[in-house]
Amino acid sequence: AQSVTQPDIHITVSEGASLELRCNYSYGATPYLFWYVQSPGQGLQLLLKYFSGDTLVQGIKGFEAEFKRSQSSFNLRKPSVHWSDAAEYFCAVGAAYSGGGADGLTFGKGTHLIIQP
Amino acid sequence: DGGITQSPKYLFRKEGQNVTLSCEQNLNHDAMYWYRQDPGQGLRLIYYSQIVNDFQKGDIAEGYSVSREKKESFPLTVTSAQKNPTAFYLCASSGGGLGTEAFFGQGTRLTVV
Repeated sequence: AQSVTQPDIHITVSEGASLELRCNYSYGATPYLFWYVQSPGQGLQLLLKYFSGDTLVQGIKGFEAEFKRSQSSFNLRKPSVHWSDAAEYFCAVGAAYSGGGADGLTFGKGTHLIIQP
Repeated sequence: DGGITQSPKYLFRKEGQNVTLSCEQNLNHDAMYWYRQDPGQGLRLIYYSQIVNDFQKGDIAEGYSVSREKKESFPLTVTSAQKNPTAFYLCASSGGGLGTEAFFGQGTRLTVV
């Protein structure tokens, strides 16, 4: 069965500092990987996704993520965070045969990002 | 604008009552999903549907029921058999196939009083 681990429940970063959120996945075949962001009481918004090709993917709001098959990781990065980046971040994996659809995604438990002024 | 609409945003239910959460999409997506979100638990799949008049149980289907009579609509009923129904419920849809992602509604917060 597929699974996603986000090791950090909470992360605190100063505004303007760099950010890296960790994500490790377990999947028997080629995974499709996603990062979503959620503001309090809201739905999820897609930040970026990886299906194939270049292992460094660019997303919205200045985020990027790197797929490392050897480490089963898909870490999210941002060079300089803004106070508006404070939110909950979810990594998710989907079956390669169906992309992000069909059988649904498996989500990590999320990382809560706190921005210090 | 295309999107997914969940209603209501807040819902209160007395113990022992069934309640139905609405989810409508105008994205012409074939696949629709219901997730439950609890603090510190991430999102867990309740039910999903890949096509009209067909749906499948997810990881935590007990105490829930769904229908998919129209492509645009995928209502979720939380029955009295659900022992701990207070949670945030998220509906999503996807075009399915390779290269697509799930799009989410704004959620419904259900509280049992």
